[in-house]
Amino acid sequence: DAGVIQSPRHEVTEMGQEVTLRCKPISGHNSLFWYRQTMMRGLELLIYFNNNVPIDDSGMPEDRFSAKMPNASFSTLKIQPSEPRDSAVYFCASSGTGGGSTEKLFFGSGTQLSVL
Amino acid sequence: DAKTTQPPSMDCAEGRAANLPCNHSTISGNEYVYWYRQIHSQGPQYIIHGLKNNETNEMASLIITEDRKSSTLILPHATLRDTAVYYCIVKADSWGKLQFGAGTQVVVTP
Repeated sequence: DAGVIQSPRHEVTEMGQEVTLRCKPISGHNSLFWYRQTMMRGLELLIYFNNNVPIDDSGMPEDRFSAKMPNASFSTLKIQPSEPRDSAVYFCASSGTGGGSTEKLFFGSGTQLSVL
Repeated sequence: DAKTTQPPSMDCAEGRAANLPCNHSTISGNEYVYWYRQIHSQGPQYIIHGLKNNETNEMASLIITEDRKSSTLILPHATLRDTAVYYCIVKADSWGKLQFGAGTQVVVTP
């Protein structure tokens, strides 16, 4: 398996533009997580899905952020409009244990987002 | 979920064992101890987890005290590639919500 695949690896955009980050989880995994990492705040959990259903989005910073998981093999995190303070590394992770448990998360390589 | 306390940094000589402490004095009976690490510019990587008993895998050993209020991650023979931030996380093994703290920056030196 190729692991969790994120795209793009790097994204540079201007303030006010829409940004879409993409994630393909490991085949067979039923939980998917979006994290954001900055120097100031460390790794923050934004949202997670189980069986394609959003379970907890309490970490989503504001309405400009939205996430979808239309099927078991694809998820997007969208920022509209983007702001310079959104600059961070965004990680996607998936896990495959049954029910709601999270025994082992597999992380992608991340998307480095820079909003100018 | 219970909070954890880790030293912000520690050094280790290559080839020696690295012992990483973690305090989780408010841990509940159903909460597991997880360890992840993050090598620079990469996503975090799962290392090991345990509930009560000591655990060992190909990467490391996890020693949990009898009262479960603290644990130690042991890297038996540290290499330069083990330089990373190590996160100790306590979480009930239920709906997945793994929250990362500041971790311990481990630097392995030749």
